[in-house]
Amino acid sequence: GAVVSQHPSWVICKSGTSVKIECRSLDFQATTMFWYRQFPKQSLMLMATSNEGSKATYEQGVEKDKFLINHASLTLSTLTVTSAHPEDSSFYICSASDLGSSYEQYFGPGTRLTVT
Amino acid sequence: GQNIDQPTEMTATEGAIVQINCTYQTSGFNGLFWYQQHAGEAPTFLSYNVLDGLEEKGRFSSFLSRSKGYSYLLLKELQMKDSASYLCAVRDLTGNYGQNFVFGPGTRLSVLP
Repeated sequence: GAVVSQHPSWVICKSGTSVKIECRSLDFQATTMFWYRQFPKQSLMLMATSNEGSKATYEQGVEKDKFLINHASLTLSTLTVTSAHPEDSSFYICSASDLGSSYEQYFGPGTRLTVT
Repeated sequence: GQNIDQPTEMTATEGAIVQINCTYQTSGFNGLFWYQQHAGEAPTFLSYNVLDGLEEKGRFSSFLSRSKGYSYLLLKELQMKDSASYLCAVRDLTGNYGQNFVFGPGTRLSVLP
């Protein structure tokens, strides 16, 4: 149980375009979802936290107008990178948590974004 | 604020025991997690400590001392497949929605034959 999927697993896009990444909890209801970014040989950096039906809360230094997060249901959250630039190329990982029953967060497999 | 520190890299020999330390400073401690992450993959959960003491799970054990802001992950009978990054993460009650996870820089472990 507790499986989280991400789609796509990798994407290449041109500079200036937008990319949407989906995060789904497959067998549980995720009251909270987290979006992380990880650059090569670095640790995970939390970008934002979102609860279903609420606006996401962004970490300091993360542009909310550039990284649009929507948590429309208890099983789906999306991250849209708008007007992508090469410096946005990174590994984006989502995780989901069910506050009601678990202390743990379950990670998706990640999405490798390359902006050319 | 939060601050988590881990050694950047460690090397050990197959079959040996290795201890990876993690020190943290946080204002609203609510649990410490260890994750394993292979290159290009998402982290996988290894252990969770919220009370002082040792938690053992097969070849992996994790220890916590809340008064010292200190934890370690102990890996026994090392195997080549244990070569990975090991991430220490602290859950902080003062974060967003009462469960802000902060990750340490990670320790890259290389297991040599």
